[in-house]
Amino acid sequence: GNSVTQMEGPVTLSEEAFLTINCTYTATGYPSLFWYVQYPGEGLQLLLKATKADDKGSNKGFEATYRKETTSFHLEKGSVQVSDSAVYFCALISSGGSNYKLTFGKGTLLTVNP
Amino acid sequence: DAGITQSPRYKITETGRQVTLMCHQTWSHSYMFWYRQDLGHGLRLIYYSAAADITDKGEVPDGYVVSRSKTENFPLTLESATRSQTSVYFCASSDGTAVSYGYTFGSGTRLTVV
Repeated sequence: GNSVTQMEGPVTLSEEAFLTINCTYTATGYPSLFWYVQYPGEGLQLLLKATKADDKGSNKGFEATYRKETTSFHLEKGSVQVSDSAVYFCALISSGGSNYKLTFGKGTLLTVNP
Repeated sequence: DAGITQSPRYKITETGRQVTLMCHQTWSHSYMFWYRQDLGHGLRLIYYSAAADITDKGEVPDGYVVSRSKTENFPLTLESATRSQTSVYFCASSDGTAVSYGYTFGSGTRLTVV
């Protein structure tokens, strides 16, 4: 079956530091990959996505590249801000059939201090 | 208002009581999903629905019941609440383009079973 493994948190950084959150996956076929963000007290919002190998998703200064050879989709940001403090979820979905079920990692809590 | 709404936002109930969490979406999306979020487990799929009157079990369905008589509504019922069902519950929907665009999530219901 499908699975997603994220680096365990919590991750604590100072403002303007470089961020990497590792994500690897196991899936059949060619999954689409996503990063969702959950700000305190809120639901999940799509941050970025990539639907095929070598695609780079980007949004709000965050980037992630779909690496099929290493089955990875690591999230990066060059300079984090306090407002980036949130929980980040890596997720995948495989097409096939009509289910379209999204499989999530366990989430990584990021805290950015001023 | 357009979008996906969950109600109530917060609920406290007693062990053994029946409780229903509501989910309503205004887009006429065919797919709807219920997840629970727990520390250390990330998000786990409880039930999903591909269309009105079509539902199926996810990863953790025991103790839950769903129905979908109308496309826009997907209520989740805990038949006899237990403390292990204390969690944050998220509803999500998709129009079938999830492989490309993922899901849209509601704001969640925080349920406490005492």
